[in-house]
This record gives sequence, structure tokens and C-alpha cells, in this order.
Amino acid sequence: ETGVTQSPTHLIKTRGQQVTLRCSSQSGHNTVSWYQQALGQGPQFIFQYYREEENGRGNFPPRFSGLQFPNYSSELNVNALELDDSALYLCASSLAGPDTQYFGPGTRLTVL
Amino acid sequence: AQRVTQPEKLLSVFKGAPVELKCNYSYSGSPELFWYVQYSRQRLQLLLRHISRESIKGFTADLNKGETSFHLKKPFAQEEDSAMYYCALSAQGAQKLVFGQGTRLTINP
Repeated sequence: ETGVTQSPTHLIKTRGQQVTLRCSSQSGHNTVSWYQQALGQGPQFIFQYYREEENGRGNFPPRFSGLQFPNYSSELNVNALELDDSALYLCASSLAGPDTQYFGPGTRLTVL
Repeated sequence: AQRVTQPEKLLSVFKGAPVELKCNYSYSGSPELFWYVQYSRQRLQLLLRHISRESIKGFTADLNKGETSFHLKKPFAQEEDSAMYYCALSAQGAQKLVFGQGTRLTINP
């Protein structure tokens, strides 16, 4: 059984650029959730995808968008990067319903 | 609105002493509560959830709806318990997790 993987591990961008982060869900999981974790804070829910459809969204602006593919892997896209977008981005996969979420190692994004 | 509060950012206890990490929540419905742990250089992982009523690595947590709390306890701390601990809540029927700010637990030898 393969765990949740994320790429890249680290990323440095400049303000105004766009970024794409990737997540491969754990084998058999059909739901992917994305979280942003700023330094010294707990993870904050961005959105969730279930069977390629957005299934809930947190308090993030539309420049945060996502995709889920038929193999249940997922992308998080952020446009017009701002300095405050610097954070650790976590992906978690699960089965639908009240199932345990399994987290990936995260992507550390730095915006200069 | 759902909210999770962990009042202690840092907690330090000696090996063998009891440990209690506090968690309070705000939610009008029936929440599902979790404790997640992140050991050094490892990913965030589930420690326990209230519906399973399990004891994991000697830790237990009881949901107190009257006090809206879900404190994590262990009677005798071990050095390997040093980690970052996050309390989290999900609303009934939802999968979105609302996390607290976390408590860094350090067990001194």
C-alpha cells in the first residue's frame, strides 16, 4: 500500500507568479483534501475533491483552485501569488464519508 | 462557526509524569473530535478519534460535551512522546477538519 505523496518538496516563487502543487492519494482512496499550514499555526482547510468534483471549500479566495484526476490524484493551483501564501501545503486522502484522513509530507512554498 | 482552541503552545513535563494536553472546541452540532500528532521529521498522523474510544500509545481522550473539551491524557509520559500535537474537529457528516494551533510537547529525561 502506497502512502500519500506530494511534489515538489520545496518551491520558491516570486509575488504575482502562479504555482501548481501535486498530490497522489493513497491506494484505494477517492477523496483528497488540501490544507494550508502557516508557520506556528494548525492546518487550515482549503478545499476537498471527491470523484473529480469540488466537495467543500474553506475561506480561501478563488485564486486557489484545484483539480482531481480519474486516478484520484490532485493538483492545487494558486494564481497571483502573495507573500502571505508562503506556507506548508498539505494534502490528505481518505475514503468518502467520515473516514480517517491520511496526510502527505507537504510542499513548502516560499513567496518572495 | 467551528473553532478549536489549544491554550498551550508549549508543554514540558518530565519522563514518568502525567501529561494532559488541553483542547476546547466551539460547535453547535455533534462534532467528531480527533488528535493528530507530528513527530520530528514525520508527517501528520492520526493518534486517536473519539468515536473509536481506543487507547493509542497509552493516550486517551474523553469528549466532554458539557465543557466542550477533548483533552488528551497519558498517565506516564515517555521520551518518545515528544512531538507536536493537534486537536481537530469535523462537523457531523463533513470531512473538513478544523485544527487547533497545536501544542509542542517536550518530555524531559
